[in-house]
Amino acid sequence: QVTLKESGPALVKPTQTLTLTCTFSGFSLSSSGMRANWIRQPPGKALEWLARIDWDDEKFYSTSLKTRLTISKDTSKNQVVLTMTNMDPVDTATYYCAQMGPQWELLLWGQGTLVTVSS
Amino acid sequence: QSALTQPASVSGSPGQSITISCTGTSSDVGGYNFVSWYQQHPGKAPKLMIYGVNNRPSGVSNRFSASKSGNTASLTISGLQAEDEADYYCMSYASSSTRVVFGTGTKVTVL
Repeated sequence: QVTLKESGPALVKPTQTLTLTCTFSGFSLSSSGMRANWIRQPPGKALEWLARIDWDDEKFYSTSLKTRLTISKDTSKNQVVLTMTNMDPVDTATYYCAQMGPQWELLLWGQGTLVTVSS
Repeated sequence: QSALTQPASVSGSPGQSITISCTGTSSDVGGYNFVSWYQQHPGKAPKLMIYGVNNRPSGVSNRFSASKSGNTASLTISGLQAEDEADYYCMSYASSSTRVVFGTGTKVTVL
C-alpha cells in the first residue's frame, strides 16, 4: 500500500527559505519508472504543479518558479525534499506530494501540509 | 504556461448526467493523451479519477467517464449522486518546459 506524508514548518517569514519533506512508503524511488511530484494549492484557489523528480534523478520544475525551487531525494530514507527560497505571502498554500504514474497521472497524494507566510 | 480552462461551476440533480470541459492548446491537451482528472472534497487531498484521457483507476465508479476532442477534454459524471459534490480538476502533460499544467477547477453542485 502506497502512502505519502508531507512535513515541514506551518509558518515561515517572508524572505525565508521553506524546506518540505515528503516521506513515503509502498514504493521506492530507486526503482525504474518511479516519480514523485510536489503540487500546491493556495486557500480557495486551484492546484499548481511545482516540481518532479524521477528514479534516475532527472528533475523538472515549474517554469514560473524554477529559480526558487530545488527538489531532491534520499532513497535510503524514502524521502523527497522540496526547498523554496525567498518565500512571500502569496506562497501561502497547502503543499502536497504525490506519486506519478507512466502517463503523467498523479496516482496517490499525501494529505498535504499548510504553510503560511507571514511576518 | 497558462492554466487549462474549465467552467467555474456545473450543477445537476441527482440521477442526471453532467459534463465538465477542459480546454487547452495543441501544446498540451490537444497534443498528447496524457490528460487526467482529479476529484477534491473540501479539506481533502485530490483523488485520481481518470488518467490517459479515458482510463479509470481501479476502484473508481464507472459513472465517471472521459474523452477528448481536439484541444478540449471532457469529464462526464452519470447518475449524479450527492457524494459527487466536489471540486474537479483536469491536468495535462505540456510540451513547454513546465511539463505539467492544471485546469482552473470546476465546482460540481448536486441540487
